[in-house]
Amino acid sequence: NAGVTQTPKFQVLKTGQSMTLQCAQDMNHEYMSWYRQDPGMGLRLIHYSVGAGITDQGEVPNGYNVSRSTTEDFPLRLLLAAPSQTSVYFCASRRGHYNSPLHFGNGTRLTVT
Amino acid sequence: SQQGEEDPQALSIQEGENATMNCSYKTSINNLQWYRQNSGRGLVHLILIRSNEREKHSGRLRVTLDTSKKSSSLLITASRAADTASYFCATDKSVIQGAQKLVFGQGTRLTINP
Repeated sequence: NAGVTQTPKFQVLKTGQSMTLQCAQDMNHEYMSWYRQDPGMGLRLIHYSVGAGITDQGEVPNGYNVSRSTTEDFPLRLLLAAPSQTSVYFCASRRGHYNSPLHFGNGTRLTVT
Repeated sequence: SQQGEEDPQALSIQEGENATMNCSYKTSINNLQWYRQNSGRGLVHLILIRSNEREKHSGRLRVTLDTSKKSSSLLITASRAADTASYFCATDKSVIQGAQKLVFGQGTRLTINP
């Protein structure tokens, strides 16, 4: 199993551009989530999904959209990139039960200039 | 807002020594989890302790949980250079039945000196 795969690994955007960060998992996990990691801030939850067709907001959802059309994929969209969105983004998944651990991808490092 | 707060923020010890990291949180939890992050990589799950458990072991790792003090500790015994990493605690914030918003602390940066 590949686990959780994130693409791209690195991305540079100009302010106002849009892009989609891809996340795919091959473990048949019901739950998927997106976090951003900033120095001194730990990881903050952006959006999460408990299954195909179901998404909800986390702590810092503004500026980001998600959708979950399949169990495997959970893309994160930045519609109008801003410098404040410069960060490292992590996708994570787990089985449906809340006492299951998260499995993380290796991250996408995004710079918005 | 951050739920878990790790202490210390950074820890440097000699190889072979034990390392202890602490985590405090604010609200009731279903479970508390510890993760490790090597530089430039994603987080890796280490151990999960449920709210009705007080201690858990996994190899050289020992985790304790004190729900009355809202705190947890992670002990790594006989440290190795490969243990150099950042360590994060995370607590769940169940919003609806079956859903979870796992909230992470800011982490402890552990350096093992040879």
